[in-house]
Amino acid sequence: DQQVKQNSPSLSVQEGRISILNCDYTNSMFDYFLWYKKYPAEGPTFLISISSIKDKNEDGRFTVFLNKSAKHLSLHIVPSQPGDSAVYFCAASYRGSARQLTFGSGTQLTVLP
Amino acid sequence: GAVVSQHPSRVICKSGTSVKIECRSLDFQATTMFWYRQFPKQSLMLMATSNEGSKATYEQGVEKDKFLINHASLTLSTLTVTSAHPEDSSFYICSARGKGIGADTQYFGPGTRLTVL
Repeated sequence: DQQVKQNSPSLSVQEGRISILNCDYTNSMFDYFLWYKKYPAEGPTFLISISSIKDKNEDGRFTVFLNKSAKHLSLHIVPSQPGDSAVYFCAASYRGSARQLTFGSGTQLTVLP
Repeated sequence: GAVVSQHPSRVICKSGTSVKIECRSLDFQATTMFWYRQFPKQSLMLMATSNEGSKATYEQGVEKDKFLINHASLTLSTLTVTSAHPEDSSFYICSARGKGIGADTQYFGPGTRLTVL
């Protein structure tokens, strides 16, 4: 049972436009959500996170939105840059699990120059 | 801040030998460290969770006698792959979370590519 889902395996966006990556979850115990960026043969790089008590968190070009009722979160990247091309993973955790992360399957973002 | 290093970045060994991978938190105290394995074109698979000074908790299906984890200090955890075999070849990644850096966020190391001949 996949508790965190990223239904789009890939996304292509023109440079300068907005990239929107989506993630759905099923476990209502999750209370902390994160987005990571990953290149091949490297560890994931933390981008941004959001607690369940918020519905939006912003950091520079990255904004994460959380819709708890829909169990849905999204990552917006504005403006998109070619260097943003990578695999993006969303992850979720809850306090009782030692904050272990449950990952989605990832979305390959390609930003076209 | 929140930098995690791993050493070595890649290692090649003969079947039957043991390999040790180090994971260090460079600028924070890691109260909890995690070890993951990544198979080609797949997401990260959690192998074990370790808290400083206590035994690691292994995920189902992970052999604790084969993958020895030690978390002896707040900045260092080691993963030893004992009697390695070609099927242990993989990309191993550690992560850490801890005090003063947003304790709910895991920061990942760059990974170690293990190839067993």
